[in-house]
Amino acid sequence: EIVLTQSPATLSLSPGERATLSCRASQSVSSYLAWYQQKPGQAPRLLIYDASNRATGIPARFSGSGSGTDFTLTISSLEPEDFAVYYCQQRSNWFTFGPGTKVDIK
Amino acid sequence: EVQLVESGGGLIQPGGSLRLSCAASGFTVSSNYMSWVRQAPGKGLEWVSVIYSGGSTYYADSVKGRFTISRDNSKNTLYLQMNSLRAEDTAVYYCAVEMATSYFDYWGQGTLVTVSS
Repeated sequence: EIVLTQSPATLSLSPGERATLSCRASQSVSSYLAWYQQKPGQAPRLLIYDASNRATGIPARFSGSGSGTDFTLTISSLEPEDFAVYYCQQRSNWFTFGPGTKVDIK
Repeated sequence: EVQLVESGGGLIQPGGSLRLSCAASGFTVSSNYMSWVRQAPGKGLEWVSVIYSGGSTYYADSVKGRFTISRDNSKNTLYLQMNSLRAEDTAVYYCAVEMATSYFDYWGQGTLVTVSS
């Protein structure tokens, strides 16, 4: 099983600041990695797929990078609606999710 | 517009059975890869099962032999039959569909399953 590790567990930032979230895989997943956003009481929403492609309707302030075992989700300037939990997910070998990074308001 | 609506959750005793449904609209269930993903209270996401358009089914080790995924093409609905339920199966269960991206493009709102005596 491919294990995904996310860091930090919590990121405390202010609106307008840049957020950088990390996801590391226990073995290479090539570029088969996605990022999801989840707000309390809601289902996850797909943000980024295949490491760097924005899903339909996702604002340009969200970007993804990386390949192999190390991946990054960057939110260039946090909007109030961006405070949420972010999960990475791989589909190289079945499907596993990371434990999540909570982005909260400082 | 793609819509997924889960139902069938509730409180069930350990060892019991429950069937979850996911009614789809805006697309054809049988033409897409459909999954169940669960989330224990306050925890992260765990993939549970997938049914491919060709009908092949696969399960996470944690539910293999106890859960069965299926679909009814005439009703455009996905199901998850859950048997021999355990306390650790307590979670919100989401159905999700892979469409344009080969990831979980769309999700339902989830249905809560609580396994407790």
